[in-house]
Amino acid sequence: ELKVEQNPLFLSMQEGKNYTIYCNYSTTSDRLYWYRQDPGKSLESLFVLLSNGAVKQEGRLMASLDTKARLSTLHITAAVHDLSATYFCAVDPSGAGTASKLTFGTGTRLQVTL
Amino acid sequence: GEEVAQTPKHLVRGEGQKAKLYCAPIKGHSYVFWYQQVLKNEFKFLISFQNENVFDETGMPKERFSAKCLPNSPCSLEIQATKLEDSAVYFCASSQPSGNTIYFGEGSWLTVV
Repeated sequence: ELKVEQNPLFLSMQEGKNYTIYCNYSTTSDRLYWYRQDPGKSLESLFVLLSNGAVKQEGRLMASLDTKARLSTLHITAAVHDLSATYFCAVDPSGAGTASKLTFGTGTRLQVTL
Repeated sequence: GEEVAQTPKHLVRGEGQKAKLYCAPIKGHSYVFWYQQVLKNEFKFLISFQNENVFDETGMPKERFSAKCLPNSPCSLEIQATKLEDSAVYFCASSQPSGNTIYFGEGSWLTVV
């Protein structure tokens, strides 16, 4: 059974600081997603990582994938309050080319303080 | 449309009553997924469809849960005889066959009292 673990579960950080959220998964996968969820809201797609070594950046967020280590990271640079949300990674074990069910991590609740 | 549309947004049911949720996927997306999110942020996969055919139903509690995606109709998720533990947010998602981006709806909040 595929297991996806995120850490930390909760992260409080000051504006302007940098930090990394980690996502480990237990079986081979070439496709990993990062989502953002605001309280009471839906999941907003941030990144889709499709191969080993993939790196994507959008604004203050950068995601990377190491399929050999079964590890993805979401790096936050110079955090701002607007980034406060819960971040989920999700793994699709089926391989590229098909749509399959996702196994989600536990989520990391990020709180950026002034 | 360009978004996954779910109705109703909120639903309250007494234990033992039926609940039915609807989802209109993004036009052109042939895959539809249902997920359940419980209070501790846990997402549980329920079922997926490829067009109107069940693709993967390994997450469905079959005794009380059923789902359909019929041509020219919204997809539906039905819970017969709801229990307190069914209280959750039910998300529908859709994607194209490549699955490279999966779009989620706003969710339907089900409260069983």
